[in-house]
Amino acid sequence: GENVEQHPSTLSVQEGDSAVIKCTYSDSASNYFPWYKQELGKRPQLIIDIRSNVGEKKDQRIAVTLNKTAKHFSLHITETQPEDSAVYFCVGNAGGTSYGKLTFGQGTILTVHP
Amino acid sequence: DTEVTQTPKHLVMGMTNKKSLKCEQHMGHRAMYWYKQKAKKPPELMFVYSYEKLSINESVPSRFSPECPNSSLLNLHLHALQPEDSALYLCASSQGAGGSSYNSPLHFGNGTRLTVT
Repeated sequence: GENVEQHPSTLSVQEGDSAVIKCTYSDSASNYFPWYKQELGKRPQLIIDIRSNVGEKKDQRIAVTLNKTAKHFSLHITETQPEDSAVYFCVGNAGGTSYGKLTFGQGTILTVHP
Repeated sequence: DTEVTQTPKHLVMGMTNKKSLKCEQHMGHRAMYWYKQKAKKPPELMFVYSYEKLSINESVPSRFSPECPNSSLLNLHLHALQPEDSALYLCASSQGAGGSSYNSPLHFGNGTRLTVT
């Protein structure tokens, strides 16, 4: 199965700073790389995803980059705001016939200080 | 509002009880999932149904029994649980594309908070 390692486990920034979270995966057949945000007491929600045929994707203040050679993908949040404070999870997938085997990273607790 | 509905929101059960968790979606998604999440931990995959057939069982103990009566419904039957099974149980769905390696975004319900006494 897919193994994902996520770093850092906690990240504290000042409002307006950038935040970067990185995930490393092991299965070279992986083809889908989503990021989820989970606020305290709420369900995880997709914030951005990227497929293996694309190197970077942006959505306003959020971007994801993928390096297939090094097997890592990163979440970038610019101009952070206090409402960005949450737990962020990358998700790995075992490619090939293991459709749906989506494994969450250990999570990064992001705190944005006003 | 969430497009994936889970009931009940909270459940307290004894170790000898039998109970069921229910999940419903009307987005036409063909893949449905059960995840278990303990406090301060990531969601852990338990089961995946693709086109109403069980496609993944992550070595889950038999005291958890999933069921997919139709493409919109997913149940998790619970029997003889242990206190360590107390957790948030999350249901999710995705568009699905059974038989291929195409993965798509997960849509989560709000979960059932289970306490086993």
